[in-house]
Amino acid sequence: GAVVSQHPSRVICKSGTSVKIECRSLDFQATTMFWYRQFPKQSLMLMATSNEGSKATYEQGVEKDKFLINHASLTLSTLTVTSAHPEDSSFYICSAKTNRGYNQPQHFGDGTRLSIL
Amino acid sequence: AQSVTQPDIHITVSEGASLELRCNYSYGATPYLFWYVQSPGQGLQLLLKYFSGDTLVQGIKGFEAEFKRSQSSFNLRKPSVHWSDAAEYFCAVGAGGTSYGKLTFGQGTILTVHP
Repeated sequence: GAVVSQHPSRVICKSGTSVKIECRSLDFQATTMFWYRQFPKQSLMLMATSNEGSKATYEQGVEKDKFLINHASLTLSTLTVTSAHPEDSSFYICSAKTNRGYNQPQHFGDGTRLSIL
Repeated sequence: AQSVTQPDIHITVSEGASLELRCNYSYGATPYLFWYVQSPGQGLQLLLKYFSGDTLVQGIKGFEAEFKRSQSSFNLRKPSVHWSDAAEYFCAVGAGGTSYGKLTFGQGTILTVHP
């Protein structure tokens, strides 16, 4: 089945650091990638949608200058949390899908636990 | 706007018992419905999806779900639960076709399985 790899799985860093999270589709071309944030005991909140070669579309309330998204190829998207602060600590999950063919589902990575000290 | 409601935050069943997790959705067009499962500290795994056709959908791990348009529901079922099914389950709704496929998730239902 479709596999999405997300790296790193866990990051602990000091306040003010910028952190980059990678999301790779290993066996399919990801036309569209999504970035979610999940707070403890809560559902997934969509942060942004990125299509390969285009600027990301951010959801209302998500700071585009804080959460930089790059989708430079059909297999890789990155989320950079710039100048991270403790309130940015969360579980970040990416997903990827292809737009080739109808009704293709999203396939999720295993998430990144970000802890800002 | 689309929305998903999972009325049960936490369900506890005994191993071997049957299971039904509820999901109600609100969507302006023909919905594309999913059930995902999440183990602690991990991403989401797709259990099954529905877009059209047979309203009873079979998924992985012995799960099935039934789409009932009149009730705006897409409940997940399993006839006999195994201890390894303990996890959090999310119902989601989105657009089908070749659109970019933005999903809206329910709040999730945590399943505990007693031996």
